[in-house]
Formats: sequence, C-alpha cells, structure tokens
Amino acid sequence: GESVGLHLPTLSVQEGDNSIINCAYSNSASDYFIWYKQESGKGPQFIIDIRSNMDKRQGQRVTVLLNKTVKHLSLQIAATQPGDSAVYFCAENIEDYGGSQGNLIFGKGTKLSVKP
Amino acid sequence: EPEVTQTPSHQVTQMGQEVILRCVPISNHLYFYWYRQILGQKVEFLVSFYNNEISEKSEIFDDQFSVERPDGSNFTLKIRSTKLEDSAMYFCASSEVASGRARGFFGPGTRLTVL
Repeated sequence: GESVGLHLPTLSVQEGDNSIINCAYSNSASDYFIWYKQESGKGPQFIIDIRSNMDKRQGQRVTVLLNKTVKHLSLQIAATQPGDSAVYFCAENIEDYGGSQGNLIFGKGTKLSVKP
Repeated sequence: EPEVTQTPSHQVTQMGQEVILRCVPISNHLYFYWYRQILGQKVEFLVSFYNNEISEKSEIFDDQFSVERPDGSNFTLKIRSTKLEDSAMYFCASSEVASGRARGFFGPGTRLTVL
C-alpha cells in the first residue's frame, strides 16, 4: 500500500470563506513559530511568525493563534481566495543560545483547496 | 522582492553518480542553508553555512554531502555518490542573520531523481 506519508490532510473551502489550518507542534521548549505556504513546484514562502510570549498575531488577511498549553498553532485565512490554494505547514524553533534557521522543525502540512 | 534562485530545476542521475546542485542566495545575505523534502514528507534541514564554513548540520548530512561557496554568488550542494533515497526536492535558503527569528528566503528547489 501507499505510504501514510504521501497523504496530506486536506481542507477544502469555498472562495470567500474563512480557513483555519491547524498544527500540533512537538517541543514544549519551542519559542518561535512560523507558518509557510508552499505552492506546487515552489519553495516554502514565509507567511507569518509568532513568538511564544504572544498568543495571537495578525497580518494581512492572516492570523496566527498560539496555545502553548496544548502545543497547538493555528493559521486563519480570512476571505480565502483561489490563490491561497497551497500546502501550509508550520515550523517551530528553539531560540536557545545559538538558535538558528537550522533549528527549524517543520510539520508535514495541510493542503488547502479553494473552490471558486 | 529579491529571490533565491536554484539550478537546475530538475536533475536526473544514475545511482552512484555525483551531482552538484546550485544556488544563488540573495546578495546581501550572509547565512545559507540546504533543506530537502522527500515527496509527501516534511521539509528537513541538511546544513547551514556561514563565513565559508559549515555552522550546523543534521544527521542526514553525512560524508556523501558537501557544500561550497566557490565564488561570491554561488552556493552549491554536492552529493558524491547518489543513492535512490536521495531522490527529493532540495531547497536552498538564505537569511541576513542566523537566528531562527530571521526570515529565511527559500529558492524554488531542485528536484533530484536518482534512478
């Protein structure tokens, strides 16, 4: 059979609706989180980030919520558009001494499909 | 917005052959990274590079891998003797600073297929 790893969770929404994409992170010591968008055939694109001293951060049409108690991160996209169709994944980082881009731990991702 | 570029977009090679994947980071960035993403899997960190030397590497980055900044603009990843399991998308990224707080810019990737 196919590897479980080939199946991404999929979220299908109607154009104009709000989307909520969830991520459970692994390390309670992580103190910095990033959401990336990856369109087909392209590299990850930074969307928004949040530090652990915050529980909410807003960008243009996007909001990230952080719940450290349950190690949960969500990305809300308002008024979803067809151009938002992509795979979205979170990444976590521990900014201890020497923390770096290399310490980013990526999630597997959720495929967002926007129906016109 | 400035971009990281990578060549080739797709590389097909025979098992055991050497491949070199090329990247041109953003010009004022000082920190460079390679990541890989096996089809359907998570993005995985391979190596970070600063001041002409490796600053961090993961367990994936074994002796078969090497990186180089041969001139002022290119950043390369060499795999000496490719294995089937090296088939993946390889992403180069660069950032102004090393901190995870820094926004890393990713290139479009090179799809490596090992036959």
